[in-house]
Amino acid sequence: KAGVTQTPRYLIKTRGQQVTLSCSPISGHRSVSWYQQTPGQGLQFLFEYFSETQRNKGNFPGRFSGRQFSNSRSEMNVSTLELGDSALYLCASSLIPGQGAGDTQYFGPGTRLTVL
Amino acid sequence: GESVGLHLPTLSVQEGDNSIINCAYSNSASDYFIWYKQESGKGPQFIIDIRSNMDKRQGQRVTVLLNKTVKHLSLQIAATQPGDSAVYFCAETVYNAGNNRKLIWGLGTSLAVNP
Repeated sequence: KAGVTQTPRYLIKTRGQQVTLSCSPISGHRSVSWYQQTPGQGLQFLFEYFSETQRNKGNFPGRFSGRQFSNSRSEMNVSTLELGDSALYLCASSLIPGQGAGDTQYFGPGTRLTVL
Repeated sequence: GESVGLHLPTLSVQEGDNSIINCAYSNSASDYFIWYKQESGKGPQFIIDIRSNMDKRQGQRVTVLLNKTVKHLSLQIAATQPGDSAVYFCAETVYNAGNNRKLIWGLGTSLAVNP
């Protein structure tokens, strides 16, 4: 069974631009969660989607948004990029929601975003 | 507040030794805990979990111990191997205002295994 895939793997943007990241969950998984990982803050939960509905969200500004499609694939968008948005963005999928609290969560390799 | 902390940010051990990674959590209502391993260039990988009605759980070469009295969690790795070199995260379950479960992650401990 293929794992969680994320595209692109690396991205370089400049301040003020916007970016869209994509995540394809493991086949059959309907829950997708997004995380931001930085050396200083560790893993910070962004949001979670299940069956195309946002179930939970973290404490991030409205510039961060996401959506999930009927095939469970998910995208997250960051508008008006800031230098502090440079991070590794991780996507994880599971059978049921709960960010791994109710079911094992499988992570993708992440998208490394650099904002210049 | 919600926080999960780690006692040691880095740990260096000799190959073949046992490793112990510690984690302190703050939410006494947490009922589920997970350890993840993250190797360089990869996303976190589930290692082992434990529910609050247990104080010990064993996997293959790994053991998780839970002490609810002092809100402490530890991961023990037996006969540490070079492939165990990674960052290890503990995470606890909390409930938000909508009674949805979510994980709160620690900052991680970097384990370096010396050959």
